[in-house]
Amino acid sequence: ELKVEQNPLFLSMQEGKNYTIYCNYSTTSDRLYWYRQDPGKSLESLFVLLSNGAVKQEGRLMASLDTKARLSTLHITAAVHDLSATYFCALRGRTDKLIFGTGTRLQVFP
Amino acid sequence: EAQVTQNPRYLITVTGKKLTVTCSQNMNHEYMSWYRQDPGLGLRQIYYSMNVEVTDKGDVPEGYKVSRKEKRNFPLILESPSPNQTSLYFCASSLSFLSRAASPLHFGNGTRLTVT
Repeated sequence: ELKVEQNPLFLSMQEGKNYTIYCNYSTTSDRLYWYRQDPGKSLESLFVLLSNGAVKQEGRLMASLDTKARLSTLHITAAVHDLSATYFCALRGRTDKLIFGTGTRLQVFP
Repeated sequence: EAQVTQNPRYLITVTGKKLTVTCSQNMNHEYMSWYRQDPGLGLRQIYYSMNVEVTDKGDVPEGYKVSRKEKRNFPLILESPSPNQTSLYFCASSLSFLSRAASPLHFGNGTRLTVT
């Protein structure tokens, strides 16, 4: 059964700093998603990663996928307050279910 | 505007009183799904549907029913709600969830359900 683990669960970081959120998963999957959720809001799609070595970037966020290590990372460069949100990774399991990580709550302070 | 619409946004009910949360999408998406979000547990899939008349259980289907009679609608039915179903519910849809294109899920705005 596919299990998805994110860390850290909480991340408080200063503006301008860099940091990485990790998403580990237990079994093979053919796609990995990253989503963002603002407090009290719905989820917004950030990236879809399909293959080993895939890297996608949007603004200050960069996501990568290492299928051999069963690891995806979401790297934040020079954080700004607007990036404060909860970030989820999710993977499709063998039975077409979509399994979400527990989320990383990011707070960026001045 | 392309969107997934859930209703109602907020619902307070009592144990045992049947309720339906509606979900509609206007993007002609084949794949639709329901999730519940609870603190510390992330999002857990309740049911999903690959297409009209095709539905499957997710990870936490107990106490829920769904139907997919039309492509655009995917209602979530709680026949006899209980307090442990108090949660934030999201409906989502995708054009090609299974295909290699792997288009992302589009989420509705959520329904906050309280069962007393």
